[in-house]
Amino acid sequence: SQTIHQWPATLVQPVGSPLSLECTVEGTSNPNLYWYRQAAGRGLQLLFYSVGIGQISSEVPQNLSASRPQDRQFILSSKKLLLSDSGFYLCAWSAKTVANYGYTFGSGTRLTVV
Amino acid sequence: DAKTTQPNSMESNEEEPVHLPCNHSTISGTDYIHWYRQLPSQGPEYVIHGLTSNVNNRMASLAIAEDRKSSTLILHRATLRDAAVYYCILRLGWGTNAGKSTFGDGTTLTVKP
Repeated sequence: SQTIHQWPATLVQPVGSPLSLECTVEGTSNPNLYWYRQAAGRGLQLLFYSVGIGQISSEVPQNLSASRPQDRQFILSSKKLLLSDSGFYLCAWSAKTVANYGYTFGSGTRLTVV
Repeated sequence: DAKTTQPNSMESNEEEPVHLPCNHSTISGTDYIHWYRQLPSQGPEYVIHGLTSNVNNRMASLAIAEDRKSSTLILHRATLRDAAVYYCILRLGWGTNAGKSTFGDGTTLTVKP
């Protein structure tokens, strides 16, 4: 069966520090991968979308970047965190066949920038 | 991206049916209607999805209007564990952006014992 791992679960970082969040998927190949961010009490905002290794689509201009160095690995990074980067970050995967499959989300990382 | 509109909140009594509405008047012919639910501090969980016909699974039923401009998620007997935020989203079915979605703020379902 397919599983998605996301870590760490919580993170407190000072303003101006770097960030690296990692997400890996097991049990499937060539998935679509996504990074979402959720502000408190709000819906999910799509940050990045990837259909393959090295292929990243950025949805909103921001202080963050994403990379996909391997088929089932998706990394969210920042060189210098801002207070506004605080939030709940969710990684998700889906099969390429939208008709039969939905998203599977990771358990999320709660990032607090202080 | 096509967007969805949901009520901010709804209440239900335990063991009663719940009908959660969603409007998506700008849906395109290749958009799939998906429903997810999210418990506090967890990632959203897939519930059900469909294209044109009504769908049933072990968790819920999805009723899709004939013109596809609205849909309703039906929980047949609400339990306390169904209390969550429910998201109705549209997923692009084809093309280079296939699979992308925009999540709104969802409906917060409260289930009263």
